[in-house]
Formats: sequence, structure tokens, C-alpha cells
Amino acid sequence: DTGVSQNPRHKITKRGQNVTFRCDPISEHNRLYWYRQTLGQGPEFLTYFQNEAQLEKSRLLSDRFSAERPKGSFSTLEIQRTEQGDSAMYLCASSSPGQGSTGELFFGEGSRLTVL
Amino acid sequence: DAKTTQPNSMESNEEEPVHLPCNHSTISGTDYIHWYRQLPSQGPEYVIHGLTSNVNNRMASLAIAEDRKSSTLILHRATLRDAAVYYCILRDTDSWGKLQFGAGTQVVVTP
Repeated sequence: DTGVSQNPRHKITKRGQNVTFRCDPISEHNRLYWYRQTLGQGPEFLTYFQNEAQLEKSRLLSDRFSAERPKGSFSTLEIQRTEQGDSAMYLCASSSPGQGSTGELFFGEGSRLTVL
Repeated sequence: DAKTTQPNSMESNEEEPVHLPCNHSTISGTDYIHWYRQLPSQGPEYVIHGLTSNVNNRMASLAIAEDRKSSTLILHRATLRDAAVYYCILRDTDSWGKLQFGAGTQVVVTP
């Protein structure tokens, strides 16, 4: 088990372009979360999946953001028509039902987005 | 979720204990107290959690006040690798795992 894997680790794009991030959770973890973190701040919750079902979305997740987890395994986070304000670290985390009840989330190293 | 209050930063000498305070005066009876830390350029990692009793694990100890309105994370012997941002988070037992992070406490360890 190699932990939560995120790709790409770094992405530089121009304003208006679309970007997609991928998260591979720890195998058999049925819960998957996306967070966003800007410099000097703690991570902010974006959305949550249980298996393939997206159960909650933060108000931070504008219409330009879409997340999927089609087979209940890996997940993708797509940002359309990127803006400079989207520049941040995008963190993925996963947990299993037993661990989820205690709140232990396992985070990946994040995907850093820079929008020029 | 109830809010927590932490100092912005704390300094410690290497191999000395570090006591990180957290105030959570609006904690409810079903809230667990969780601590995570985030090393530079990494995602957060779980440290410890508790409900009412003090807790110990290989990473740290958690001391919870009797009225549960505050808690202290104790790193018994700080090392340079403990330099990180430490987050104190409350999570309801009925929640499905969503964590609400604050700004945390930046711990600086000097040799």
C-alpha cells in the first residue's frame, strides 16, 4: 500500500485553460475527499465521495469545478476556464469506514496549481 | 462544527517538550478532538484524537481538560522533523469524516 497518490504534483497553466487532477486513494478506502489549500491557510473542504456517490459539495466548489469517482476507486477534479484565484494546492484524502468513524483521513502530497 | 483557537506559532528547542494549546469552548458532547500536522510541502497527517480521557500514542500525547473546553497536544521531545503546522480540529461523531481546518500553530524547532 503506497498511500494516497496524486497527479500531477505541479501544474502551471494559463488563465482560461482547463486542468484535471487525479487522485488514487488507498485501496479499499471507500471515502474520498478533495480539499484546497492556499498559502498560509489550512485546507478547505471541497467535496466528498462515498464509493462513486458524491455526497457533499462545498459552496467553494463553483460551477467551473467538477469532481468524479466513476468506479468508486480513483477520482478526478477538473477545473474549467481557470482563473488566477484558482491557484492553490489541491489535496486528496481517503478513509475507510472503520477509520472514518474516528476521522482519520490519509492525505496525498497534493497537486499544486499555478494559473498565470 | 465548533471552532477551535490556537496560537499562530510556537518555538521550541530540540529535545525539549512542546505543549500546544487549543481552546474549544463551544465543544459539544459528541465532538472528538483531533490533531493533524502538516510538514512543509506535504499533505496533513493524523497525529492523535480523543474524546474525554487523555490519550498517548507513539507520536504524541493529548491532554483534555475536565470540562473539555481546551486540550493540549504534547510532543515529548521535539526533533527538527517535528517542525510543522499543527491543526486542532473538532469532529462530531455523526459526521462522515469531513474535517474543518483552521490556520493551525506553526511549530519552529531550533537545534
